[in-house]
Amino acid sequence: AQSVAQPEDQVNVAEGNPLTVKCTYSVSGNPYLFWYVQYPNRGLQFLLKYITGDNLVKGSYGFEAEFNKSQTSFHLKKPSALVSDSALYFCAVRPLDSNYQLIWGAGTKLIIKP
Amino acid sequence: EAGVAQSPRYKIIEKRQSVAFWCNPISGHATLYWYQQILGQGPKLLIQFQNNGVVDDSQLPKDRFSAERLKGVDSTLKIQPAKLEDSAVYLCASSQAGTGYEQYFGPGTRLTVT
Repeated sequence: AQSVAQPEDQVNVAEGNPLTVKCTYSVSGNPYLFWYVQYPNRGLQFLLKYITGDNLVKGSYGFEAEFNKSQTSFHLKKPSALVSDSALYFCAVRPLDSNYQLIWGAGTKLIIKP
Repeated sequence: EAGVAQSPRYKIIEKRQSVAFWCNPISGHATLYWYQQILGQGPKLLIQFQNNGVVDDSQLPKDRFSAERLKGVDSTLKIQPAKLEDSAVYLCASSQAGTGYEQYFGPGTRLTVT
């Protein structure tokens, strides 16, 4: 079965330090990859996506993600964390044979401490 | 560009009552999705429309849930009768047609069934 794993339920980072939120997937072919963020009592907001090309993609709010085909991973990164980055982050994958549907990870809660 | 609109934002009902949610997608977006999100989990797709046709409703509990998308624009999701386990956030999302396009989400409707 196709799946997306976010191995950490929670990630704690001190403000100003780099952050990484991990995502691995088990999907046939070369899927499209997405990251979304959800702030409390808000809908999900699109951060960035990988379709093809450069393995490092840049997105909103200073976030970037690194695609690694051999490890089937798509980790979200930011060089310097802000307290305002504290939120719930979801990785999602769209298999090429899907009707535009996404397979979602369970989410990782990111806590940035001042 | 206006985002995805949803109403109401919050709804409290008793079990066995009915409730309806409304969604207005981003103008020009052919694909519309309804998701159910249980607290602390990733979104679960309930139904997907392409224009005014249903693409996938395999995870919609059809004995109590129904959805329609009139004229390929606005959509309503209805629950009748509601059960306690329907307490969740109901998210509407829309996207342009095509596999590479990201989904844009509305703020969601938080439903509490007592």
